Amino acid sequence: QKEVEQDPGPLSVPEGAIVSLNCTYSNSAFQYFMWYRQYSRKGPELLMYTYSSGNKEDGRFTAQVDKSSKYISLFIRDSQPSDSATYLCAMSAGNTPLVFGKGTRLSVIA
Amino acid sequence: EAQVTQNPRYLITVTGKKLTVTCSQNMNHEYMSWYRQDPGLGLRQIYYSMNVEVTDKGDVPEGYKVSRKEKRNFPLILESPSPNQTSLYFCASSLSQGPLNEKLFFGSGTQLSVL
Repeated sequence: QKEVEQDPGPLSVPEGAIVSLNCTYSNSAFQYFMWYRQYSRKGPELLMYTYSSGNKEDGRFTAQVDKSSKYISLFIRDSQPSDSATYLCAMSAGNTPLVFGKGTRLSVIA
Repeated sequence: EAQVTQNPRYLITVTGKKLTVTCSQNMNHEYMSWYRQDPGLGLRQIYYSMNVEVTDKGDVPEGYKVSRKEKRNFPLILESPSPNQTSLYFCASSLSQGPLNEKLFFGSGTQLSVL
C-alpha cells in the first residue's frame, strides 16, 4: 500500500459546482496536512494547511482531516474556471520530509 | 519579491554530458529540496538540505548530486545524465523543516530532456 493515495482524475465539473478532492494515507504518524495547487507549467503553491483532525476554511476552500479514517479532503465551493489546476495533497509527521500524493487534475468548465 | 529561482527553464542535452541546474532563494530559508515530477508518479524527492553543508538523500537520489555551500544556493548536478532522468524538476525551500514551517515555496521548474 502506498503511503499516500490520491485519485489522479481528471475531474471535470461545470462552473459553480462544489468540488471534492480526497486523499487517503497509511502512516498514522502524519499530523500535518497540506493542499498544494499547481497550475500548468508552474511550481506547486501552498493552498491550505491543517494540523491534526478537524476543518479549516479559507474563502471558497475548506480542508477536512479525519485521522481516525486516515482521510483528508479539500472542498471547493462555487468553483471557477481559474480553479482549473492540479491539486496535490501532502502530509508530514513533523520534522520529516513531506510526502505528496500524485495529484488530481481538475477542470472547471465555464 | 520572495522567490525561488531555477535555471534553466528548459534544457535538452545528450546522454553523459554533465549538467547543473541552479536554484537560488532570497528568503533566508534553511531548508531546500529538489523534486522531480513525472506523469503517473507525482512529485518525488531527490535530495534535501537542512542547512549549509548539510544534505541528505530523498526517495530517488541515484544519478544526482547536490551541494549546499551557501544558504541561498542549492544546485542539482547530473554527472552523467541518462534518458530516464528526463523529467520536470522543481527546487523548493522553506524556513525550516518542522511542524510550523512546512510551507514550501517552489521554483517554476526545469524541464529536462536527455537524448
